[in-house]
Amino acid sequence: NAGVTQTPKFQVLKTGQSMTLQCAQDMNHEYMSWYRQDPGMGLRLIHYSVGAGITDQGEVPNGYNVSRSTTEDFPLRLLSAAPSQTSVYFCASSPRRGTNEKLFFGSGTQLSVL
Amino acid sequence: GDSVTQMEGPVTLSEEAFLTINCTYTATGYPSLFWYVQYPGEGLQLLLKATKADDKGSNKGFEATYRKETTSFHLEKGSVQVSDSAVYFCALVNGSNYKLTFGKGTLLTVNP
Repeated sequence: NAGVTQTPKFQVLKTGQSMTLQCAQDMNHEYMSWYRQDPGMGLRLIHYSVGAGITDQGEVPNGYNVSRSTTEDFPLRLLSAAPSQTSVYFCASSPRRGTNEKLFFGSGTQLSVL
Repeated sequence: GDSVTQMEGPVTLSEEAFLTINCTYTATGYPSLFWYVQYPGEGLQLLLKATKADDKGSNKGFEATYRKETTSFHLEKGSVQVSDSAVYFCALVNGSNYKLTFGKGTLLTVNP
């Protein structure tokens, strides 16, 4: 059981480039989310989805797009990368059985925007 | 809105020392409370949780008690090991929005 898989693990972009961070889970979880982790800031929610075809904004959504065409996949798109988006990105999923269910995290993508 | 405040690190201890990491929260209603741990180079993983007042979560020798009167969920361990070196995050979920609110994290380093 692979759990939550994120690719790539590392990425360097130039300002203005676009890219997609991939996230896939094989646990049939309905809830998926993207966080960014910055020093001294903890984790901040970017976007989340409670099921295929349903997405919503989190705390820091600007500059990021998401879609959820299948239960398994939840890609995060940076349309025009900015240095402020340099961060470590984590995808997480959870069964949609209740708000006290734990999150399962991927191992992260370290992104640098020059 | 909801918020979580945890003690700033880094915290450096010797092996077998007692650990406390303070966590307080601000939220309406009755949130569920969590401690997550992040080992170097890895994603976060759930350490323990408590879903109602006076509940005690425990795992791997760590404990935390949900104190509604003081809005706190302090993490404790009686005897830390080098392998406990990690970043610890306190977090809450409130209501039906499925969104975790995290504290800023506390880096723990345990020396042999």
